[in-house]
Amino acid sequence: KQEVTQIPAALSVPEGENLVLNCSFTDSAIYNLQWFRQDPGKGLTSLLLIQSSQREQTSGRLNASLDKSSGRSTLYIAASQPGDSATYLCAVGTLVFGNEKLTFGTGTRLTIIP
Amino acid sequence: ETGVTQTPRHLVMGMTNKKSLKCEQHLGHNAMYWYKQSAKKPLELMFVYNFKEQTENNSVPSRFSPECPNSSHLFLHLHTLQPEDSALYLCASSQPSGGPIGEQFFGPGTRLTVL
Repeated sequence: KQEVTQIPAALSVPEGENLVLNCSFTDSAIYNLQWFRQDPGKGLTSLLLIQSSQREQTSGRLNASLDKSSGRSTLYIAASQPGDSATYLCAVGTLVFGNEKLTFGTGTRLTIIP
Repeated sequence: ETGVTQTPRHLVMGMTNKKSLKCEQHLGHNAMYWYKQSAKKPLELMFVYNFKEQTENNSVPSRFSPECPNSSHLFLHLHTLQPEDSALYLCASSQPSGGPIGEQFFGPGTRLTVL
């Protein structure tokens, strides 16, 4: 059974700093990995999707990396801003009996201090 | 309307009530999902529909009953719920393919409180 862990559970950094969020998964037989952002009481916004054949994806100040063999992914946020404050979720995509399935971590709650 | 929409956004119900949650996607996708998000727990997949056919029921109690009349609409019918069913219920959609899994797009969720 796939398990996804995100460390730390919460992180506070001053505005302007670069930061890294970590995600690990137990089964390396994945199809893709997706990073989401969730604001309090809201739905999920997809940030980056990395296919299993890729090593990284970039969008603006965000860069996500994937190392399947070690079961790890990182989300790098450059020059953090107060608007980046949210919970960041990592989700691993697998095929289960031909059905697409995402397994989520519990998230990292990020606070950017102005 | 664009993306994935969900109604109502907030719902309070008693344990004997019957209510329904609605999800609609405007992305032309063929797969739709129901997830449950409880406090301090990872999102849990509840149901998956591909081309209107239910392809996964993740051991969900029968007091939750999904319905997918077409590829754009998904319902979750609720009856005789328990207080522990209080959670944020999220709907998502994607375009399934034979190769890499499609990116999932989520709605804003329905915050459900069972009294």
